[in-house]
Amino acid sequence: DVKVTQSSRYLVKRTGEKVFLECVQDMDHENMFWYRQDPGLGLRLIYFSYDVKMKEKGDIPEGYSVSREKKERFSLILESASTNQTSMYLCAHTPSRDRGRNEKLFFGSGTQLSVL
Amino acid sequence: RKEVEQDPGPFNVPEGATVAFNCTYSNSASQSFFWYRQDCRKEPKLLMSVYSSGNEDGRFTAQLNRASQYISLLIRDSKLSDSATYLCVAHNFGNEKLTFGTGTRLTIIP
Repeated sequence: DVKVTQSSRYLVKRTGEKVFLECVQDMDHENMFWYRQDPGLGLRLIYFSYDVKMKEKGDIPEGYSVSREKKERFSLILESASTNQTSMYLCAHTPSRDRGRNEKLFFGSGTQLSVL
Repeated sequence: RKEVEQDPGPFNVPEGATVAFNCTYSNSASQSFFWYRQDCRKEPKLLMSVYSSGNEDGRFTAQLNRASQYISLLIRDSKLSDSATYLCVAHNFGNEKLTFGTGTRLTIIP
């Protein structure tokens, strides 16, 4: 079975705290993504990465950064958490298109982050 | 205008009925499409891929109309377990980007 592990299912942090959300996949996939999901807004792409050390801004990168030091791990960092970053965060991954036509996204179970 | 648009619903449908959703996309560079299903407080899971004109899998049929830039999902003989939010997704090969619609909420009523 595919395994995508997100570090925490629920997380409560205070305004101004630094927050790390970790995502680990065991499929040896190149592409990894971080989304946030909010009612009425759907899933919005924060950052994505095509390979180790590579990162690209998504649609809403402000207030976030990412790290991809190893192929299997993609971390989302909130340098100084704010209340408007309260959301469900979903990590996903997929193989590179060069490896075949398989754009299916595998999602982690999500982290519900509350910033107080 | 959103790149992928869906009617949010909710659609309340009696068990056994047929239900259809549409999804429109604005980026003509989108080349493949997907329907994901998301249960409450769970992650999205792939339901169907739509690469060409359409795809059928049991009670589910997805169709793509490139001229009008929409895809549809048809569910026949609906079951209680079909209650979920259905997300439409467009894939742009050029930048590997997948764009999600906001989802259509379906509730099947006994």
